[in-house]
Amino acid sequence: HSALTQPATVSGSPGQSITISCSGTSGDVGSDHLVSWYQQHPGRAPKLMIYEVNRRPSGVSSRFSGSKSGNTASLTISGLQAEDEADYYCCSYAHSGTSRYVFGTGTTVTVL
Amino acid sequence: QVQLLESGGGVVQPGTSLKVSCGTSGFPFSAYGMVWVRQAPGKGLEWVGLISFDGATTYYPDAVKGRFTISRDNSKSILSLQVSSLRADDTAVYYCAREKIAGAGTFDHWGQGTLVAVSS
Repeated sequence: HSALTQPATVSGSPGQSITISCSGTSGDVGSDHLVSWYQQHPGRAPKLMIYEVNRRPSGVSSRFSGSKSGNTASLTISGLQAEDEADYYCCSYAHSGTSRYVFGTGTTVTVL
Repeated sequence: QVQLLESGGGVVQPGTSLKVSCGTSGFPFSAYGMVWVRQAPGKGLEWVGLISFDGATTYYPDAVKGRFTISRDNSKSILSLQVSSLRADDTAVYYCAREKIAGAGTFDHWGQGTLVAVSS
């Protein structure tokens, strides 16, 4: 199962909003609401930011939101802050034989 | 609080086998599916396996099927990953993570990772 496609880099100024896309197929992103997003700072473990397309775990800032249209999911960060500079990965359930999950290629967010 | 701690990484020779473990605490281990995710140096995340809460079912991506084996000991709250016929491209940090909701791809707690380096 091929990795989901994300832009390599996205940048924005403090206070701006940015959106990261995650493109898949009808066999993964497009098949249901099982898309999640993870934030990873250098040298750290990933952190769950969004699950089931648009649900936020307790403790995650409301500046983070998720959505999906067809085979593409999106993560939006509003009111961009310096601490948001990190790598972001989407992940989807994959309806493919004995495989189950597939991650995106990853996006580096830079705060200008 | 929920804690996951990987161990067993190190430098290993190509063609050999290695077992990495993930000790857990702070939650009812036997009630949750668990996954392993790896990250090669400077690369992205790659899901490499899932085991159901009771250990009855495992899933692997085609890329590692046949060489990776996940197991769990619910009496000791320990998750394991056995990797055989190690190759240079298996070099990565291996993370264990808890599956918050079975089948939902929601990994809500992660360990700090253990580095496996395959080199002669």
